[in-house]
Amino acid sequence: TQLLEQSPQFLSIQEGENLTVYCNSSSVFSSLQWYRQEPGEGPVLLVTVVTGGEVKKLKRLTFQFGDARKDSSLHITAAQPGDTGLYLCAGARRGNNRKLIWGLGTSLAVNP
Amino acid sequence: GAGVSQSPRYKVAKRGQDVALRCDPISGHVSLFWYQQALGQGPEFLTYFQNEAQLDKSGLPSDRFFAERPEGSVSTLKIQRTQQEDSAVYLCASSLATASRSTGWPQHFGDGTRLSIL
Repeated sequence: TQLLEQSPQFLSIQEGENLTVYCNSSSVFSSLQWYRQEPGEGPVLLVTVVTGGEVKKLKRLTFQFGDARKDSSLHITAAQPGDTGLYLCAGARRGNNRKLIWGLGTSLAVNP
Repeated sequence: GAGVSQSPRYKVAKRGQDVALRCDPISGHVSLFWYQQALGQGPEFLTYFQNEAQLDKSGLPSDRFFAERPEGSVSTLKIQRTQQEDSAVYLCASSLATASRSTGWPQHFGDGTRLSIL
């Protein structure tokens, strides 16, 4: 059973389009982290959301944590080829938050 | 460098051989994680150390997989009698994680070892 479901699994769009990636769970997380991974490299942390309803912006990327802290979304505005990569969400659970629960990832391709 | 270092970057072995993968974490990082990653998918947890103590090895797929971190810094993941299904990228991550914290602790990854079993 996958505790964190990411959707869509694959996404191929044209440069300039907007997109949203979802990370859903039936479990409550004390925080949720978003990572991006490029081919041949390890994942790199983009942002951590902690408070239910929290919205964080990182240039053209907007991250939101659900009110109940069970889900999160990543919205990219005017996607660019440099946004291409695997986007991963990972949740920390109260009581064992050194270890993260990982989603399977969304593979994004932005075509010029 | 200041990041997590993994070696080798690529490893090709024949089925049945033993392999050893090395991870050198960021200095001072208490927690160390090993993951297995299939192409295009998220990391699958293998095992976790806090200093030299292996606190969770629930993700190790079989008793052919063994990990150690004897001095609480460098870690080695060993796979004995390799099989073709062991082919994957093996990622190591370290985290400061000195105490429990509600925000969780970000993990810093190496670039992985790509293991191919022929």
